[in-house]
Amino acid sequence: EDQVTQSPEALRLQEGESSSLNCSYTVSGLRGLFWYRQDPGKGPEFLFTLYSAGEEKEKERLKATLTKKESFLHITAPKPEDSATYLCAVHFWGGSQGNLIFGKGTKLSVKP
Amino acid sequence: NAGVTQTPKFQVLKTGQSMTLQCAQDMNHEYMSWYRQDPGMGLRLIHYSVGAGITDQGEVPNGYNVSRSTTEDFPLRLLSAAPSQTSVYFCASSYFGTGDSPYNSPLHFGNGTRLTVT
Repeated sequence: EDQVTQSPEALRLQEGESSSLNCSYTVSGLRGLFWYRQDPGKGPEFLFTLYSAGEEKEKERLKATLTKKESFLHITAPKPEDSATYLCAVHFWGGSQGNLIFGKGTKLSVKP
Repeated sequence: NAGVTQTPKFQVLKTGQSMTLQCAQDMNHEYMSWYRQDPGMGLRLIHYSVGAGITDQGEVPNGYNVSRSTTEDFPLRLLSAAPSQTSVYFCASSYFGTGDSPYNSPLHFGNGTRLTVT
């Protein structure tokens, strides 16, 4: 069965305390992996797309990496404004137009 | 640039009532979709469309209808609301172009409609 699992479910950090969020997947042929940020009461906002193992993307304090089985979202020296739920979504082969599965998300809280 | 606009933001219905959730996008995206988001669950696809006049079912289509008469609009209809349909609903669109999948490009989401059915 195709699955996307995010861990941890929730993460509390102190401002400046670096950490990583994980997105592991078991799908039949990865085509791409997306990271989104979702603020309370808002829709998900696109952050990164990764396509192949070894690929990395960076944006401000965030860096996303990809292996054959999982992706990490590294947060370096986080600030309170980085508090949000981070979602990953996996695009994989299936059907006539591919499939997309979302993970349940990791809720990040950064305290000053 | 408005992006994806959803209305209303909040709605309370009684069991058995019907309503339409509106979604409009101004990016000329061919692909549009509806998701529901429930606590402890990932976003689940309800219905989607790859162009005007073309719709198809997603993972959880029961109790919902859609139509796509224009590129811009993709309304979601609840014919007879049930408490199990209490959720947050998101509309999303993406650029399809000449590719083989609407998921080659990232989805653009609206800010959601929070629906409560009592």
